[in-house]
Amino acid sequence: EAGVTQSPTHLIKTRGQQATLRCSPISGHTSVYWYQQALGLGLQFLLWYDEGEERNRGNFPPRFSGRQFPNYSSELNVNALELEDSALYLCASSRGQVSFREQYFGPGTRLTVT
Amino acid sequence: KQEVTQIPAALSVPEGENLVLNCSFTDSAIYNLQWFRQDPGKGLTSLLLIQSSQREQTSGRLNASLDKSSGRSTLYIAASQPGDSATYLCAVSSQDQAGTALIFGKGTTLSVSS
Repeated sequence: EAGVTQSPTHLIKTRGQQATLRCSPISGHTSVYWYQQALGLGLQFLLWYDEGEERNRGNFPPRFSGRQFPNYSSELNVNALELEDSALYLCASSRGQVSFREQYFGPGTRLTVT
Repeated sequence: KQEVTQIPAALSVPEGENLVLNCSFTDSAIYNLQWFRQDPGKGLTSLLLIQSSQREQTSGRLNASLDKSSGRSTLYIAASQPGDSATYLCAVSSQDQAGTALIFGKGTTLSVSS
């Protein structure tokens, strides 16, 4: 069984540009979570999608957005990039909401904003 | 608001030692607790998941315990090996944020020398 996959592995953008990150969950998983891991800040919850709908978001500005497609893959968009958006972005999937299910993580996308 | 703390932040041990990593959380109303391993610049690997009704889980040389009433969990690693060197993260699924996301501690970075 294939694990959670993310693309690209690395992404370098300039301040003010837009970044698009992609995630494919494990087959059969309907929930996708996005987390940001910035240096020194630990893992912070960004967004949760389930069955194509945004269910909740963390304490991040609206320029962080995304969507979930009918095949349950997901896209994270970051608009008007700022230097502090440089971080490892991790996607995770679970079979339903994480309250009751184990969460599996992808390898991450390293975003660097210059 | 749920908060997760991990102590110590870093730990260095010689190969072969048994060791304990600590995790504490402020609100005992959790669904489950997960321990993860993260290698530098990589994604997270799930090690053990303990449901709130369970006291412990074991996998190979790893044993995780949960004391929900006191808000504590420990990860015991037996006969440590250099390959165990990584950052270990503790995360809880909190009932006050049902389905939202896991809430992570900042991790303990373990270094095992040969």
